[in-house]
Amino acid sequence: GENVEQHPSTLSVQEGDSAVIKCTYSDSASNYFPWYKQELGKRPQLIIDIRSNVGEKKDQRIAVTLNKTAKHFSLHITETQPEDSAVYFCAASSSGGSNYKLTFGKGTLLTVNP
Amino acid sequence: DAGITQSPRHKVTETGTPVTLRCHQTENHRYMYWYRQDPGHGLRLIHYSYGVKDTDKGEVSDGYSVSRSKTEDFLLTLESATSSQTSVYFCAISVGDEQYFGPGTRLTVT
Repeated sequence: GENVEQHPSTLSVQEGDSAVIKCTYSDSASNYFPWYKQELGKRPQLIIDIRSNVGEKKDQRIAVTLNKTAKHFSLHITETQPEDSAVYFCAASSSGGSNYKLTFGKGTLLTVNP
Repeated sequence: DAGITQSPRHKVTETGTPVTLRCHQTENHRYMYWYRQDPGHGLRLIHYSYGVKDTDKGEVSDGYSVSRSKTEDFLLTLESATSSQTSVYFCAISVGDEQYFGPGTRLTVT
C-alpha cells in the first residue's frame, strides 16, 4: 500500500518568514495530493491540493509543488502570520476506481512566532 | 462543513463495552470514511464505504465494524472497547477526489 513520509515534524518560524513542509510517497500510481490544516481541537481543513498532471499550484500565500519522478511534494507558505500556526498534513491518493482512499503523513506542527 | 455531523461529540466508556459512533451527511455523497487520529500517527483509515451496504477495510480495521444501511448514515462500532481505542474519530466524505471531515468524536475508554 501507499506510504507517506512527512518532514519536519515541528517547524518554528518568525512572522513574515516562509515555511516549507515536504512529503514523499511510495506508490507511483498516486495522482492526487491534498494538504490539510488542523487547528487545535478542530477538524482537518483542506487548504490546497494538486493533481499529477500539474507541477505547481498557488493560492495567495500558499503553494504546492509536485515532483512525480522523485515522488515528493511540498507545501510552501510565504509571509507567515500567527494564524498560520497549526498542524499541517499531507496526503496521497490513487483516485478513481472503487474508492478515493487517502494515506496521510504524520503531520507538521507549524508555530509562527510574532 | 459539507453537511457532516458526528454524534456523540464526546464519550467516556469502560473497557469491554460496545460503542457506536454515528456519522450523518445531508448531501447524498456516495463515499464515506472513518479515521482515527492519535498523536504521532496522523490520520489513519479504519473503514470506508462506497455505497449503501458497500464497505471495505482500511489500514487499522481490527476491533472495528461499520454499517451503512442508508446513504446519509455511516456507523462505526467498537464491539468491545479497549483502552487502545481511546482516540479522536473523524468521519469524512468525498466530493470527487476531495475529502471533507466531520467535527470529530473524542472517545475515552477507561
